[in-house]
Amino acid sequence: DAGVTQSPTHLIKTRGQQVTLRCSPKSGHDTVSWYQQALGQGPQFIFQYYEEEERQRGNFPDRFSGHQFPNYSSELNVNALLLGDSALYLCASSLGRDVSYEQYFGPGTRLTVT
Amino acid sequence: QKEVEQNSGPLSVPEGAIASLNCTYSDRGSQSFFWYRQYSGKSPELIMFIYSNGDKEDGRFTAQLNKASQYVSLLIRDSQPSDSATYLCAVSSGGFKTIFGAGTRLFVKA
Repeated sequence: DAGVTQSPTHLIKTRGQQVTLRCSPKSGHDTVSWYQQALGQGPQFIFQYYEEEERQRGNFPDRFSGHQFPNYSSELNVNALLLGDSALYLCASSLGRDVSYEQYFGPGTRLTVT
Repeated sequence: QKEVEQNSGPLSVPEGAIASLNCTYSDRGSQSFFWYRQYSGKSPELIMFIYSNGDKEDGRFTAQLNKASQYVSLLIRDSQPSDSATYLCAVSSGGFKTIFGAGTRLFVKA
C-alpha cells in the first residue's frame, strides 16, 4: 500500500523566485491538504483540494496556489518567495467523503529561501 | 486565544511511567480530534483519533475527550525512550480545515 509521497525532499530558492512542490496521495485517497510547518510550530493549514477544486483555504496570501490532477495528485505553487516562506511543507491525504478527516502525511519538502 | 493550545513542555517521564499530554480547544463545534506524533526532522504520524466523549484505547495509548470542558488528552502507558517525540493535538470543526496545536515535547528517560 503506497503511502503519501512528496517531491522534492529539499529545495533552496532565492527571494522573489517561484517554487512548485508535488504530492501523490495515499492509495485509495482522493483529497489532498497542504500545510506549512515553521520550526517549533504545528502545521498551518494552507488549503485542501478535492475533485480538482480548492474547497477550503487557510489564512495564506494569494501567492500560494495549488492544483489537483485527475489522478488526485497535487501541486503547491508559491510565487514571489519571501524569507518567511522557509519552512517544512507537508502534504496530507484523506478520503473526501470521510467525515472523520483522518489525514496521513507525506515526508514533507524542506524549503529554504535565501 | 489560540484555537488549539498545548503545553510546549518539555514533559519528562521515566521509562515505564505514564505520560499525560493535554490539549484544549476553543471551537465548541469541533467534531473530530486527533493526536499525531512527530519525531525530529520527520513528518507527523497519526496515532489516535476520537470523536465521542469518553476514552478510546489503542495498545499503550488512550485518548480522552471531554467536549463540555473542551479538553482532549493522550495517555501513554509504559512509556519507552522510543516514545520521545513531539505530540501534536489537532482538531477539525466539521469543515475541511484541521487546526493543529504547537505540540508538546516528550522525553522518556531510560
